[in-house]
Amino acid sequence: AQSVTQLDSQVPVFEEAPVELRCNYSSSVSVYLFWYVQYPNQGLQLLLKYLSGSTLVESINGFEAEFNKSQTSFHLRKPSVHISDTAEYFCAVSASSGNTPLVFGKGTRLSVIA
Amino acid sequence: DVKVTQSSRYLVKRTGEKVFLECVQDMDHENMFWYRQDPGLGLRLIYFSYDVKMKEKGDIPEGYSVSREKKERFSLILESASTNQTSMYLCASRKGGSYNEQFFGPGTRLTVL
Repeated sequence: AQSVTQLDSQVPVFEEAPVELRCNYSSSVSVYLFWYVQYPNQGLQLLLKYLSGSTLVESINGFEAEFNKSQTSFHLRKPSVHISDTAEYFCAVSASSGNTPLVFGKGTRLSVIA
Repeated sequence: DVKVTQSSRYLVKRTGEKVFLECVQDMDHENMFWYRQDPGLGLRLIYFSYDVKMKEKGDIPEGYSVSREKKERFSLILESASTNQTSMYLCASRKGGSYNEQFFGPGTRLTVL
């Protein structure tokens, strides 16, 4: 079975400052890793994912995440945040073999302060 | 665009009532999922389905059942609603393997009084 730990439940940050949202996972098999975002009063949507290959993956709105197998981590970063990045961010994992559901972390609420 | 719709955005029910939450997806996805979302607990999987008439228990199936009679529709049933089932319920669908994106509906906020 897989599990995900998001180390911070809330992260306040000033606009244009950098941010890192931490995610660690546990699994005895190879995994796929995902970050989903939930903007206020909206549904969840995929931000980025790691399947294989390059360990650094990027989203279209400037976020990036790096898969670190030795540290079992998949931290999300952005060098300069905007007010519009205020949202809840969920890290998720699934086994890379078969057709398995995603397992989600408890979420990190990012609040960007003007 | 993939669209996942849920029958109600807000729902208020009384303790002991039978509650049906409906989810429909329009992209011929094989897989469908029901989660509940609670503050500080994230998303927890209730049930999922890989195909019509197939269902698998998730992490918290107690007090819930599901039905999938057609590929596009996945229903969550609360046989006898209780106050601890007050929550946001999210439906999702996905095509094929776990490498694909899960698409989520807008959610149903259920309050059980």
